Amino acid sequence: GAGVSQSPSNKVTEKGKDVELRCDPISGHTALYWYRQSLGQGLEFLIYFQGNSAPDKSGLPSDRFSAERTGGSVSTLTIQRTQQEDSAVYLCASSLRRQNGYTFGSGTRLTVV
Amino acid sequence: AQTVTQSQPEMSVQEAETVTLSCTYDTSESDYYLFWYKQPPSRQMILVIRQEAYKQQNATENRFSVNFQKAAKSFSLKISDSQLGDAAMYFCAYRSYVRASSNYKLTFGKGTLLTVNP
Repeated sequence: GAGVSQSPSNKVTEKGKDVELRCDPISGHTALYWYRQSLGQGLEFLIYFQGNSAPDKSGLPSDRFSAERTGGSVSTLTIQRTQQEDSAVYLCASSLRRQNGYTFGSGTRLTVV
Repeated sequence: AQTVTQSQPEMSVQEAETVTLSCTYDTSESDYYLFWYKQPPSRQMILVIRQEAYKQQNATENRFSVNFQKAAKSFSLKISDSQLGDAAMYFCAYRSYVRASSNYKLTFGKGTLLTVNP
């Protein structure tokens, strides 16, 4: 597609429920990133996928968070047993392997009530 | 680990005037990239300008320019002839330049909210 697409745009969920956030990167981009933006904070790195290599999961805050990327394209970020502190905007970005900047999506605003 | 600091949580500027947003960073690396991203209310992060650390010349993109001081580890953004559409959150970001690494992770500052007054 022309840009990075994320869905849903907004999600309200009850504490304890699982949620799935989707990212559809730009076609041909081999690198895909997830970041979390909490209120008043900068962006916090969560996970990185590069082609068929093992993902860098070093930014995932707990084992309730997981992500997968199917067929080197679409990625899903899953948060299990959501907590109120998980409320944030989750941003996805993609890039060509050696490109100097990424293209971001518009994010998913997650609210846990 | 690298850190990026934006000391101005909020700034305001009159339309058509010039404003400078500050950014400092800490790193032990000699080669790296620096970026300014803009985040309007739509939430999409938009790349404004980038600078390669090995280049002494300051990057410029139309009304946006940077003042890159490598020794001082400072990377400020100047917006000239400010427009209402420039109102947004601005983030400074750092990326390592490690050829052997496949991780192109960006480290971000906490942002500066820019208001443009008509």
